[in-house]
Amino acid sequence: QVQLVDSGGGVVQPGRSLRLSCAASGFSFSSHAMHWVRQAPGKGLEWVAAISYDGSNKYYADSVKGRFTVSRDNSKNTLYLQMNSLRGEDTAMYYCARDRSTGDYAFDYWGQGTLVTVSS
Amino acid sequence: QSVLTQPPSVSGAPGQRVTISCTGSISNIGASYDVHWYQQLPGTAPKLLIYGNNNRPSGVPDRFSGSKSGTSASLAITGLQAEDEADYYCQSYDMSLSGGVFGGGTKLTVL
Repeated sequence: QVQLVDSGGGVVQPGRSLRLSCAASGFSFSSHAMHWVRQAPGKGLEWVAAISYDGSNKYYADSVKGRFTVSRDNSKNTLYLQMNSLRGEDTAMYYCARDRSTGDYAFDYWGQGTLVTVSS
Repeated sequence: QSVLTQPPSVSGAPGQRVTISCTGSISNIGASYDVHWYQQLPGTAPKLLIYGNNNRPSGVPDRFSGSKSGTSASLAITGLQAEDEADYYCQSYDMSLSGGVFGGGTKLTVL
């Protein structure tokens, strides 16, 4: 069965960096675009970043552009989110999600989420 | 302020029908990009409920249906049940932003 396991969250000071990982199993990881979506405490969902099936194309929300980098290692079935220059407003639960088809932006499977808290 | 606009809350009694609206613009829903809907139960990850405007993934009851017209979309839930109490989000793609966009979410209360 399809499984996505998010990890790497924690408490980090403003201005510091953190790398999130999403381990995928149960499907052909290299055939699907992947996304990161976040949810601040008590707030709604916010799309963060997307990466094409082969990693050749990457897209970002304006709120993280220039600070976050999405990447993937298809040999390890793993998705990453490198987060630099973290701010308080980046505090959120971060979910990785699988794109249902070739970039139609329908997220059919989600990880359980990993919590990032940016605080001094 | 979310790119897609949803009512903050809706409610209904068991067995009733409720609808949740999602209003976008000419750069997302109105540009013929598909609308998808998610259900999020407290403390859990979102679950895909409707994709491609009106398609249900396997396992989603046919009590849930979606529609789209112009720059808006709607999620309808018939035969309301207690377990439907959750937050619901619409989502699409925005060509001006070159990325995904979500509605602010609607909390459904089953009376």
